[in-house]
Amino acid sequence: EAGVAQSPRYKIIEKRQSVAFWCNPISGHATLYWYQQILGQGPKLLIQFQNNGVVDDSQLPKDRFSAERLKGVDSTLKIQPAKLEDSAVYLCASSIDRLTDTQYFGPGTRLTVL
Amino acid sequence: DQQVKQNSPSLSVQEGRISILNCDYTNSMFDYFLWYKKYPAEGPTFLISISSIKDKNEDGRFTVFLNKSAKHLSLHIVPSQPGDSAVYFCAASVRWAGNMLTFGGGTRLMVKP
Repeated sequence: EAGVAQSPRYKIIEKRQSVAFWCNPISGHATLYWYQQILGQGPKLLIQFQNNGVVDDSQLPKDRFSAERLKGVDSTLKIQPAKLEDSAVYLCASSIDRLTDTQYFGPGTRLTVL
Repeated sequence: DQQVKQNSPSLSVQEGRISILNCDYTNSMFDYFLWYKKYPAEGPTFLISISSIKDKNEDGRFTVFLNKSAKHLSLHIVPSQPGDSAVYFCAASVRWAGNMLTFGGGTRLMVKP
C-alpha cells in the first residue's frame, strides 16, 4: 500500500513570494491533516479535513495560509505572501477516520524563506 | 502554553541497554497518547499508542507506561539498538473531539554500538 505522498520535497523562496504544497493521502483515508514543524519543535496542526470539508482550522494563519481538498482526496496548502518565520517542514498526514484511527505521515516539504 | 512537554532534548544510551523517554502533559482531557519516531528527511512514523483506560501497552521491544495521576507517560525500549537512533515525539489527543494530535518537542535518542 502506497504511503502519503508530498511534493515538492524542498522549496526555497524569497519573502513575500507565494508557494504551494501538494499532498496525496493513503487511498481510502477520509481524514487529512496539515502540520507545520519548525526546527527543534514538534509538529503543530494547521488544519484538518474530513473528506472535502474543514473540521478544524483554528491554528491556520488565515491572513496568509489557505488550504483546500476539493474532491476529498488530494490537498494543497498555500502561503501567500511568505514570511521568514514560515520556514519549516510542512507535513501532511492522513487517517481512515477522524475519531479513532492512527495518523500516517508523508515525508514533508522543507520550506526555506530567504 | 505547551500542553505536551518532553523535557529531555537528547538521550544517549549504550546498545543493549534500556532507553527511557519521558513525556508530561497538562490537559486532563487527553484520552489517547502516541509515540512517533522520526528519521532525518522522513515524516514521523507511528510506533506505539495507549488509551487512557490503560496504564501499560507493550509491542515487542517497546513499552509505553501511562501515569494519569502524574500526567506522565514514558516509552521504554529494551534492548536498545543502533537503528533506534532517531527523534522520538510523544503526542496526545482527545479522540472524541476529532483526534487532533498535540505533539511534544521531541527527544533525540542516540544508541551507541
